[in-house]
Amino acid sequence: EDQVTQSPEALRLQEGESSSLNCSYTVSGLRGLFWYRQDPGKGPEFLFTLYSAGEEKEKERLKATLTKKESFLHITAPKPEDSATYLCAVQENTNAGKSTFGDGTTLTVKP
Amino acid sequence: DGGITQSPKYLFRKEGQNVTLSCEQNLNHDAMYWYRQDPGQGLRLIYYSQIVNDFQKGDIAEGYSVSREKKESFPLTVTSAQKNPTAFYLCASSMRGGGYYEQYFGPGTRLTVT
Repeated sequence: EDQVTQSPEALRLQEGESSSLNCSYTVSGLRGLFWYRQDPGKGPEFLFTLYSAGEEKEKERLKATLTKKESFLHITAPKPEDSATYLCAVQENTNAGKSTFGDGTTLTVKP
Repeated sequence: DGGITQSPKYLFRKEGQNVTLSCEQNLNHDAMYWYRQDPGQGLRLIYYSQIVNDFQKGDIAEGYSVSREKKESFPLTVTSAQKNPTAFYLCASSMRGGGYYEQYFGPGTRLTVT
């Protein structure tokens, strides 16, 4: 059974203080790993897809990386508007269409 | 504007009643999904459909039912058999199934059953 563990559960940063969020996963064969951002009371918004170890994707202050066991979401010089819950999801290559989500990391950036 | 709509945003029901949540998409996506989210937790898959007139159970399908008669629509019925129906329900779609494509989510429906 696929497992996704995100850490930490909550992260509080000062504006400009860079950090990383972790997503550890266990799948028999990875088809794709997805990062989403979710604001309170809203649906998740897609950020990145990573398909193979060594791959990196960047968008503004966010950078996602992937190894064979985990993914990191690096946040460089965050701003208060980056405050949200960040969700990681994996899709196994034998389970067409099914994603397994982690419980998320709630990021708070103080001005 | 392309996207996914869910209605209503808030829904209140008495215990023992069935309730249907609406999900419509105009993205021309083949695959659609229903998730449940409880406070402080991630998303758990209820049902998914990769093509019209076909759907599969997710991890927590008991007490729920779906239909996929049109490509654009994937309604979810929460039946009286669902023991803890109060939750935030999210509908999503992707270009196709198979796990290569990201999912796009609707704004969610918050269901409260008392």
